Amino acid sequence: DGGITQSPKYLFRKEGQNVTLSCEQNLNHDAMYWYRQDPGQGLRLIYYSQIVNDFQKGDIAEGYSVSREKKESFPLTVTSAQKNPTAFYLCASSLITLRGSIQETQYFGPGTRLLVL
Amino acid sequence: AQTVTQSQPEMSVQEAETVTLSCTYDTSESDYYLFWYKQPPSRQMILVIRQEAYKQQNATENRFSVNFQKAAKSFSLKISDSQLGDAAMYFCAYRSAMWRNYGQNFVFGPGTRLSVLP
Repeated sequence: DGGITQSPKYLFRKEGQNVTLSCEQNLNHDAMYWYRQDPGQGLRLIYYSQIVNDFQKGDIAEGYSVSREKKESFPLTVTSAQKNPTAFYLCASSLITLRGSIQETQYFGPGTRLLVL
Repeated sequence: AQTVTQSQPEMSVQEAETVTLSCTYDTSESDYYLFWYKQPPSRQMILVIRQEAYKQQNATENRFSVNFQKAAKSFSLKISDSQLGDAAMYFCAYRSAMWRNYGQNFVFGPGTRLSVLP
């Protein structure tokens, strides 16, 4: 089945520790995204990537880093610089057509809940 | 920058009845997409319905339909014959259709929590 997988489902971070959230898709989508969701709030964009080896900061990139070495994978690292990392993290992907226009729909993974010990 | 507003933090509906969730947005663009996403307790974001701004006809997906008022910048979601499985957070979202605005990506509203009463 095609889809987006995120792991782990739950992740615990100690103070000063970097942790990495995994996001993999087999939809052959070009663009991938990371969002953060805080309780009772909507989604905020952390990073996005249109193609391999390229990514752009979103609205709340400070304290986070990403890589896009493969089309299928877009891992997110929450660094020790992120002082309030407790949140629900969602990965999404969308298709970009050959003409450069962006297919309008994003498809989401099941999410990772990050908690600080 | 575009903004999306959902003025109803919580709504409730009786099973089998109809409910309408409100969404308004602010944009200076003429070409864009609007979406309703559902987030059940599992927290998986599920696309409910989408609307292209250049289409005057309101989108419909089974029991879900929208009332798209472009001039008023309003995009409400109507759920007919509500079912217990419809209970979830519902997010309204905006996306520019202009390539040069790709970096703005999706803009989500704060969400409306819908409860369905048996």
